[in-house]
Amino acid sequence: QVQLVESGGGVVQPGRSLRLACAASGFTFSRYGMHWVRKAPGKGLEWVAVMSYDGGEKYYADSVRGRFTISRDNSKNTLDLQMNSLRAEDTAVYYCAKVGEQYSRWAYFDYWGQGTLVTVSS
Amino acid sequence: QLVLTQSPSASASLGASVKLTCSLSSGHSTYAIAWHQHQPEKGPRYLMMVYSDGSHMKGDGIPDRFSGSSSGAERYLTISSLQSADEADYYCQTWGTGMVFGGGTKLTVL
Repeated sequence: QVQLVESGGGVVQPGRSLRLACAASGFTFSRYGMHWVRKAPGKGLEWVAVMSYDGGEKYYADSVRGRFTISRDNSKNTLDLQMNSLRAEDTAVYYCAKVGEQYSRWAYFDYWGQGTLVTVSS
Repeated sequence: QLVLTQSPSASASLGASVKLTCSLSSGHSTYAIAWHQHQPEKGPRYLMMVYSDGSHMKGDGIPDRFSGSSSGAERYLTISSLQSADEADYYCQTWGTGMVFGGGTKLTVL
C-alpha cells in the first residue's frame, strides 16, 4: 500500500536551516507529482511547494519562495524540502502529499504522510 | 481569484447526518474539488473528489456513510450515521494556477 513517511523535523533557531525528507513506497514514485503542505498551530492547511513527476518543474507559495527548495530523487523514491532562513511563522507540521493522477502536478491529493513538526524558536 | 470558502464549524449528534459546504469563488463554479479529513495527531486523509455534475470519486476504503454532491458553485460532503471518530477538521481542495485549500470546517459530534 502507499506510504509516505516524513522525517527531519525539529526545533531550530530563526534564520537557521532544516531539511525535511519524505520516503515514498507502494507506488511508482517517478510517475507522480509530489507536494509539501503545512499546518501551523491553530490555522488551516497551507500549500507550500510542488515538484513535477520528473523534477523538471517546481513551484512555491509566495510565503516560502526564495527560502525553500523542493527536490526529489526518483532513484531513491524520496522528496526533500530544504528550508533556509527560517522564521517563527514557518512553525508547523509539514506533510508530503501525492497527486492522484499520473504525470500531473496540479490535481487532488490521494495520499498524505503523517507529518513532521518544525518549530522555529530562539 | 480562486478561493474556497468553508464554515469554520459544524456540529451534529451521534448517529445523525451532517452536510458540509465548500463554496467556489465567482467564475469558478465548474471546478471540481477534493474533500480531506484531518483528525488530531494524524496526517490528512483523502475522502473523495466532487465534480460539478454532482458525481464523486471516493478514496480507498472510504465508507458509504460519506458521500458528495454539488449545486452550482457549492460542493458538499455529507456524512451519515455520525460516529465519534468522524470528529475532525474537514478541508476542501482545488487547483488552478496553484493549489488552494478552504479554511476548514471543524466538525463536532455531540
